[in-house]
Amino acid sequence: AQRVTQPEKLLSVFKGAPVELKCNYSYSGSPELFWYVQYSRQRLQLLLRHISRESIKGFTADLNKGETSFHLKKPFAQEEDSAMYYCALRLRNDYKLSFGAGTTVTVRA
Amino acid sequence: ETGVTQTPRHLVMGMTNKKSLKCEQHLGHNAMYWYKQSAKKPLELMFVYSLEERVENNSVPSRFSPECPNSSHLFLHLHTLQPEDSALYLCASSQDVQGGSGELFFGEGSRLTVL
Repeated sequence: AQRVTQPEKLLSVFKGAPVELKCNYSYSGSPELFWYVQYSRQRLQLLLRHISRESIKGFTADLNKGETSFHLKKPFAQEEDSAMYYCALRLRNDYKLSFGAGTTVTVRA
Repeated sequence: ETGVTQTPRHLVMGMTNKKSLKCEQHLGHNAMYWYKQSAKKPLELMFVYSLEERVENNSVPSRFSPECPNSSHLFLHLHTLQPEDSALYLCASSQDVQGGSGELFFGEGSRLTVL
């Protein structure tokens, strides 16, 4: 079965510093990877997906099949980036979305 | 109201009670999901419905009983729960079960406490 690992439960950075959230997965096929975010008092929502190759709110994530990773990066963190971030995986054309345990990011002024 | 709406937002029940969680989506989606979010654990998929037909029952105990009367509504009936069932129960919907963008739209969750 596929598995998603987020090794960091908590991540604290200063405003303006780079931030990187790690995500590793175990699956030998061609997965689709996602990052979901939950801001304080808001619902869980999609941040970005690897297929789109997009930058959302300054965040990017590159799928590295060799390292089976999908790390989320932002060069200059902002206070509004403080949130809970979940990495998720699904098999292509499947409906099961498997989530990691999540990383809580705190951006300090 | 748009999006995915869950009621009640908070529920406290005894182990012998029977209660239900309700989810409604106004997005015209065909698929609906129940997830369980426990402290310090990843989100666990419980049930998946596609056009009112259950397509997944992820080894969930029978004390949880889902119902999907139409593609806009999803219920989770609860009876004789255990304290370890206390968690945040999230409802989500997506355009379709397979294919598509894979994006799930979540409700705000129902916080369940079993005494």
